[in-house]
Amino acid sequence: QVTLKESGPGMLQPSKTLSLTCSFSGFSLSTSGMVVSWIRQPSGKSLEWLAAIDWDGDKYYNPSLKSRLTVSKDTSNTQVFLKITSVDIADTATYYCARSQLGAGDYWGQGVMVTVSS
Amino acid sequence: DIQMTQSPASLSASLGETVTIECRASEDIYSNLAWYQQKPGNSPQLLIYDANSLADGVPSRFSGSGSGTQYSLKINSLQSEDVASYFCQQYNNYNTFGAGTKLELK
Repeated sequence: QVTLKESGPGMLQPSKTLSLTCSFSGFSLSTSGMVVSWIRQPSGKSLEWLAAIDWDGDKYYNPSLKSRLTVSKDTSNTQVFLKITSVDIADTATYYCARSQLGAGDYWGQGVMVTVSS
Repeated sequence: DIQMTQSPASLSASLGETVTIECRASEDIYSNLAWYQQKPGNSPQLLIYDANSLADGVPSRFSGSGSGTQYSLKINSLQSEDVASYFCQQYNNYNTFGAGTKLELK
């Protein structure tokens, strides 16, 4: 059974660095073609793809946010991380991680709400 | 960046009706397109991938079509459980989502 679960700080202040963790089970990120992505969704709005890391360790970033994002994974291939630097109110959103094999996200986590507020 | 223009933004339909949602890409995405359903408080659920392939467990009343820059999602015989928001996503060049369509019952 494939599951993913996001975790994060809940709330943080502007200008700080947001650190998120995606813990998953039921599949191996070392399997050829496997990708874990981060996507966010401000309340009532659409989805925005942020970053992804694949089975080979290659990393992909949204060009408009690339300078602020860092995606990584642990050596056991059971967790993927995302760091966003210099957060502001516009980064307030629900953050999801999702697995994909053929491009589309076939399994998503439940999401974690992050509020940026002073 | 590839832009995805989704229409309509909202849609009201009756039970049993057929509904169509469309997405237009700013350039050819070679059928690298997915459709998701999202109900309030839940994460998106994959409906269609590669423009016209039905994801596992998705009812056959959902179908996808299109090529090049134009794609559509059709829901036949609308059911009450289909009330949700729907999003398209291109994955030909990075990833971009459409703005979404909110489907309600008339």
